[in-house]
Amino acid sequence: DVKVTQSSRYLVKRTGEKVFLECVQDMDHENMFWYRQDPGLGLRLIYFSYDVKMKEKGDIPEGYSVSREKKERFSLILESASTNQTSMYLCASSRDRGRVAEAFFGQGTRLTVV
Amino acid sequence: GDSVTQMEGPVTLSEEAFLTINCTYTATGYPSLFWYVQYPGEGLQLLLKATKADDKGSNKGFEATYRKETTSFHLEKGSVQVSDSAVYFCALFHYGQNFVFGPGTRLSVLP
Repeated sequence: DVKVTQSSRYLVKRTGEKVFLECVQDMDHENMFWYRQDPGLGLRLIYFSYDVKMKEKGDIPEGYSVSREKKERFSLILESASTNQTSMYLCASSRDRGRVAEAFFGQGTRLTVV
Repeated sequence: GDSVTQMEGPVTLSEEAFLTINCTYTATGYPSLFWYVQYPGEGLQLLLKATKADDKGSNKGFEATYRKETTSFHLEKGSVQVSDSAVYFCALFHYGQNFVFGPGTRLSVLP
């Protein structure tokens, strides 16, 4: 089975802290994604990556950055955490976007910024 | 751009009732269509998928048929259980684009 693992289920951070959310997948998928999920807003794409060292902005990239130094790992960085970044963060991976393939999700990280 | 619309709910049903969650999409070409399910406190899991017109995806008693003429992919189950209580997301994947998700429909099944 494909496994997408996020490093933390729950995180509590202080305003202004630099926060790292880690995601690892074990199926050699080319594509990786970071979403945030908020009540009433559904899933919103923050950043995605089609290959190592490649990154593309999604719909809501402000206040975030990403890193993909290895194919299996995709990190989301909150440069200076703010309370409006309190949310559920979901990582996903999929095979090459040129082929039909579903997205596989991690279990999510619920981040609270105080 | 591509978009997915689904009934937002919440939907509340009694155990063994029939379930329909409507999903329609807007996209050029022929996207693949998916239903994902999210149980409380968890990430999303793929429930079923269909890759071309008239395909029927099915899993765990759930079914959905890819209707190109009505641009729909409605989710159905003949007899829901309490354990089906979750949030259900309709989604599409279109060649050259990213996944597009609907807003999710919360289902509560009462014993």
